[in-house]
This record gives sequence, structure tokens and C-alpha cells, in this order.
Amino acid sequence: DAGVIQSPRHEVTEMGQEVTLRCKPISGHNSLFWYRQTMMRGLELLIYFNNNVPIDDSGMPEDRFSAKMPNASFSTLKIQPSEPRDSAVYFCASSYGTGVYGYTFGSGTRLTVV
Amino acid sequence: GENVEQHPSTLSVQEGDSAVIKCTYSDSASNYFPWYKQELGKRPQLIIDIRSNVGEKKDQRIAVTLNKTAKHFSLHITETQPEDSAVYFCAASSWGLFGTGTRLKVLA
Repeated sequence: DAGVIQSPRHEVTEMGQEVTLRCKPISGHNSLFWYRQTMMRGLELLIYFNNNVPIDDSGMPEDRFSAKMPNASFSTLKIQPSEPRDSAVYFCASSYGTGVYGYTFGSGTRLTVV
Repeated sequence: GENVEQHPSTLSVQEGDSAVIKCTYSDSASNYFPWYKQELGKRPQLIIDIRSNVGEKKDQRIAVTLNKTAKHFSLHITETQPEDSAVYFCAASSWGLFGTGTRLKVLA
């Protein structure tokens, strides 16, 4: 298995533009997590899906952020409109069950909003 | 709500010394406690985990201890080496919540 695949690896965009981050979880994993990592705030859980259904989105910072999981092999995190304070590394992770067998992280997307 | 607290936020040790990182959690239903290591510019990777039916687990130079009554668990690294320098995260729930991380620096 190729592991959790995220794209793009790097994204530079102008303030106000829409940004879409993509994630393909490990085949057979039924839980998917989106995280935002910054020096100041560490690894923040944004949203968690189980069997493609959003279970907890209390970590989504604002209405500008939205996430979808249309099927078991694909998820997106969208920011519209983007702002400079959204600059961070965004990780996607997947697990079997609800994390009780460990989380496997993707390589992350480094987002810079200028 | 649930939370996971991790201490210290930074830790510097001399090469060869031991390092201990501690986490406390609030959800008494938690039964799985993994630790992750994140090297600079890389993704977090699982290094050791423990389940609630075990009090201690060892893997070479690293070990994790769990006290379910007190709701805390610790990562122990012995004979530290420069390559142990990284950020370490604990997790203690089924819901994807991680501690705030500990930046470990091993001084040669």
C-alpha cells in the first residue's frame, strides 16, 4: 500500500483565493482525520470522519473551512476565502476503526497564503 | 470535552541521559495510548503504543508506562542519541486528539 496520499505537497496562493487540499486514505481504513499544524498551536484536529460521515467538526476554525468525504477513498479540505493566518501544514491521517490501531499520516500539504 | 495534556513542551538532555515525557487524559473510556515521533519537515510516525490492559511496554530504548487510575502515561527514552531529537506527541482517545507535543533536543 502506498500509504496515505496527500496533494498537493506545497501550495502558495493569494489571500482571498479558494484552496482545496486532497487526501486518499489507506485502503480498508474507515476513519479519516484532518489536522492543522503550526508552531504556535501544535497538531490541531480539524475534523474526523468515520465510514465517510463527519463525526466531529468542532475543530474547524471558521465557516471558511469545509471538508467532504464523498467515498471511502477520497476526502477534501477546502478553504474559501483563504487568509494569511491559514498558512500551516495540513495533515491527513487514516486509521482502522476509530484510531485504536494507530493513525497513519500523509506527508502533509504546506500551505502558504500571501 | 476530552483533552490530552502533555509536559514538558521542550526538553533538553545530554546524549546518553534519559528523557521522560508525560501525558494526562480526561476520557476514562480511553483504552489505547500511542506515541508519535515527528522529525523536522516530516510526518508524525508511530513509535510505540500501549493498551489499557497492560501497565508497561518496552521496545529497545523506548518504553511507555500507563496508570489508568490516575489517567496518565509516560514515554521513557534511555541512552538518548542525537537522532532522538524530534517532536513527540501522545494520543489518548479514539477521536484523533493529540497532546500539544514535546520538542526533545539531545545535546551531543
